[in-house]
Amino acid sequence: GAVVSQHPSRVICKSGTSVKIECRSLDFQATTMFWYRQFPKQSLMLMATSNEGSKATYEQGVEKDKFLINHASLTLSTLTVTSAHPEDSSFYICSARETSGGKPNEQFFGPGTRLTVL
Amino acid sequence: GDSVTQMEGPVTLSEEAFLTINCTYTATGYPSLFWYVQYPGEGLQLLLKATKADDKGSNKGFEATYRKETTSFHLEKGSVQVSDSAVYFCALSGNYGNNRLAFGKGNQVVVIP
Repeated sequence: GAVVSQHPSRVICKSGTSVKIECRSLDFQATTMFWYRQFPKQSLMLMATSNEGSKATYEQGVEKDKFLINHASLTLSTLTVTSAHPEDSSFYICSARETSGGKPNEQFFGPGTRLTVL
Repeated sequence: GDSVTQMEGPVTLSEEAFLTINCTYTATGYPSLFWYVQYPGEGLQLLLKATKADDKGSNKGFEATYRKETTSFHLEKGSVQVSDSAVYFCALSGNYGNNRLAFGKGNQVVVIP
């Protein structure tokens, strides 16, 4: 089956530093990847849609300069939280949609990255 | 826009009880419908899906039927186990654009031995 990995699974950083989270599709190519944020006991909030080779599309209210997204290849997208602050602490989840051969409506989710900013 | 509504509040029930989690949706056209499950500390796993009206998705004893007339996709399981304790999310994906998913708020299910 389609597998999506995230790295790191957990990160703790100091306020003001930047943190990069990687999302990889391990056994398929993903033209589109999605980044979500999940607060405790709440649903997933779509932050941005990442398209390979082009700029990400951000949802309303999400700061593109704060959350930098790069989708440099068909198997890798990265989310960089710049100048992190405690309010950025959250569970970040990525998903990937298969480019071809798969069902276009299905997304495969990574296991998530727990970010804690001190 | 597209949206999903799940019943309010956590669900606590005993092992072997019958589980129902209600989900209704609002969407244009003919969306695909999904149930995802999230175990503690983990990401989301697709539990089941249905892509057209009257389709029934099923997996691991869970079922949900795509009801266009009532715009619903209720999740059911006849006999739950402690291992079914998790958060369950209903979601839909429109058949346009980049197939973004719209999620419901999720329901915490706690199964007591």
